[in-house]
Amino acid sequence: DQQVKQNSPSLSVQEGRISILNCDYTNSMFDYFLWYKKYPAEGPTFLISISSIKDKNEDGRFTVFLNKSAKHLSLHIVPSQPGDSAVYFCAASGKTGANNLFFGTGTRLTVIP
Amino acid sequence: DVKVTQSSRYLVKRTGEKVFLECVQDMDHENMFWYRQDPGLGLRLIYFSYDVKMKEKGDIPEGYSVSREKKERFSLILESASTNQTSMYLCASIKNPGRGGEQFFGPGTRLTVL
Repeated sequence: DQQVKQNSPSLSVQEGRISILNCDYTNSMFDYFLWYKKYPAEGPTFLISISSIKDKNEDGRFTVFLNKSAKHLSLHIVPSQPGDSAVYFCAASGKTGANNLFFGTGTRLTVIP
Repeated sequence: DVKVTQSSRYLVKRTGEKVFLECVQDMDHENMFWYRQDPGLGLRLIYFSYDVKMKEKGDIPEGYSVSREKKERFSLILESASTNQTSMYLCASIKNPGRGGEQFFGPGTRLTVL
């Protein structure tokens, strides 16, 4: 049973506009959330994270928002650049920490120049 | 700089062959992981190891085994490869497995079983 879900398999956005990638989770015990970015033929690289005690975390063009009541998080990329084109995975962990990351199925972002 | 390397980027094997996938990390990390990534299924954990010679099954261990003889090296073994094991295999490691930790991934091995 998929505890972390990314319901949009793909997203296309014009360069310079905002990209919003969404992620939903079902386990209320999750307390730490991460976003990874993956280019073809490369491993995922860590992008940004958020603890459940926060509702927002920002790092440059990337902001992650967490809505605990809705069990929903989103990644905002502003402005989007062609180099952002990749597959984005959200992941969550609970009391067992990063030994047990639950990954979503990924969203392929294409930024159109 | 954090580095996780995998022995092969692409591998083609035949059904029934024994396959070894090697992973090495140079960060003195305690914990190492093997995942497979398939379209529409995301990353699924096969096995992880929290110390030399120690291992734990993940979500999909069937058909796989692992070996960790040295801290820096974690091997995934397909005892008798089958076509449904065609996939992208990703190795990861982590120093701090507690809350707030992140996993560092290798570049992946794309395995095709014919």
